[in-house]
Amino acid sequence: NAGVTQTPKFRILKIGQSMTLQCTQDMNHNYMYWYRQDPGMGLKLIYYSVGAGITDKGEVPNGYNVSRSTTEDFPLRLELAAPSQTSVYFCASSYGGAKNIQYFGAGTRLSVL
Amino acid sequence: GQQVMQIPQYQHVQEGEDFTTYCNSSTTLSNIQWYKQRPGGHPVFLIQLVKSGEVKKQKRLTFQFGEAKKNSSLHITATQTTDVGTYFCAGPYNQGGKLIFGQGTELSVKP
Repeated sequence: NAGVTQTPKFRILKIGQSMTLQCTQDMNHNYMYWYRQDPGMGLKLIYYSVGAGITDKGEVPNGYNVSRSTTEDFPLRLELAAPSQTSVYFCASSYGGAKNIQYFGAGTRLSVL
Repeated sequence: GQQVMQIPQYQHVQEGEDFTTYCNSSTTLSNIQWYKQRPGGHPVFLIQLVKSGEVKKQKRLTFQFGEAKKNSSLHITATQTTDVGTYFCAGPYNQGGKLIFGQGTELSVKP
């Protein structure tokens, strides 16, 4: 099992460019999440999904979009990148329910210059 | 809104010293989870506590859940260099499978 796989690992964007961060999981988890982590800070939830076709906003959704067409994939789209979006992005998945242990991908380190 | 606070933000210890991080929630939690993130790595689940007053141990790590289910602690006995990293607590956020994470406590261990 690969678990949660994120691509790319690193990316540098210019202001105003767009990109998609890819996330796929092979654990058949219904729940998937996107977080951003800024230096010295905790994890802030951007978007989450409780199943294919269902997405909802988290704490910091502005500037991002998501889709969930399959159980496995949960891409995060950045439109018109801004320096404030420089961060480390983590995708996670879980079964949900009472236990709801989240499994994280290795992260994407994004710089917007 | 719901908040989860962790203290301290940073802790520097000499190898062999003990370490404790504290987690406090603004609301009662049904459970609390702890994660560890090594430098440059990703968060990895350590443990979940569910019952009021629960204490669980993993080798040198002791986790406690408060009686009121609003606070928790992680204590490491005799730290080792392998304990280096950031420790996060997390609690359920409203409903729907979301977690709210504390800011984390970054532990550095001097050999």
